[in-house]
Amino acid sequence: AQKVTQAQTEISVVEKEDVTLDCVYETRDTTYYLFWYKQPPSGELVFLIRRNSFDEQNEISGRYSWNFQKSTSSFNFTITASQVVDSAVYFCAREGAQKLVFGQGTRLTINP
Amino acid sequence: EPEVTQTPSHQVTQMGQEVILRCVPISNHLYFYWYRQILGQKVEFLVSFYNNEISEKSEIFDDQFSVERPDGSNFTLKIRSTKLEDSAMYFCASSWGTSGANVLTFGAGSRLTVL
Repeated sequence: AQKVTQAQTEISVVEKEDVTLDCVYETRDTTYYLFWYKQPPSGELVFLIRRNSFDEQNEISGRYSWNFQKSTSSFNFTITASQVVDSAVYFCAREGAQKLVFGQGTRLTINP
Repeated sequence: EPEVTQTPSHQVTQMGQEVILRCVPISNHLYFYWYRQILGQKVEFLVSFYNNEISEKSEIFDDQFSVERPDGSNFTLKIRSTKLEDSAMYFCASSWGTSGANVLTFGAGSRLTVL
């Protein structure tokens, strides 16, 4: 199986710190899609971003930014000036064979 | 904003009982999915459904599981004889196209507890 690895199981930082969540994926495909989802304590899965493998441009959305490095098969997610509301489990996922393959998730705790 | 609706939000059942989890996908979506998340673990694909038939299923989706779109709006997951290890959060999702080019919209989940 082509895995998605999120090596950081848990991260805890103090509010206003920057934090980066790592994601490394395996794929044999030349075209693929990568995703990040947020799972807040309420349990739902909230879509954050989708990235096409042809588009290696980094993306910024407010305090969120994503660094896609095809050469290292990584798709890392940075939160700048973290806030308590950012506390959640974050999942990286890769699309393959019409399904999403998720990483194990990183539990992020932002302390006031 | 359109959303995927799941019922019940939480169901407790005895081992061996049948359970049906219901989902109302977004109305113009054509692809439907069930995913499962055992507590504290990653989200795992169970099955995808298109044009009234299963298009892909995982090894988890054995003969105890079935899916149906009975009336053109609901999408159901049935577990025939629940086991303790079926306790999990079950997420329904839908998309307009196949999951790569089109973002899946997930429901809020149905938590199943098997005693």
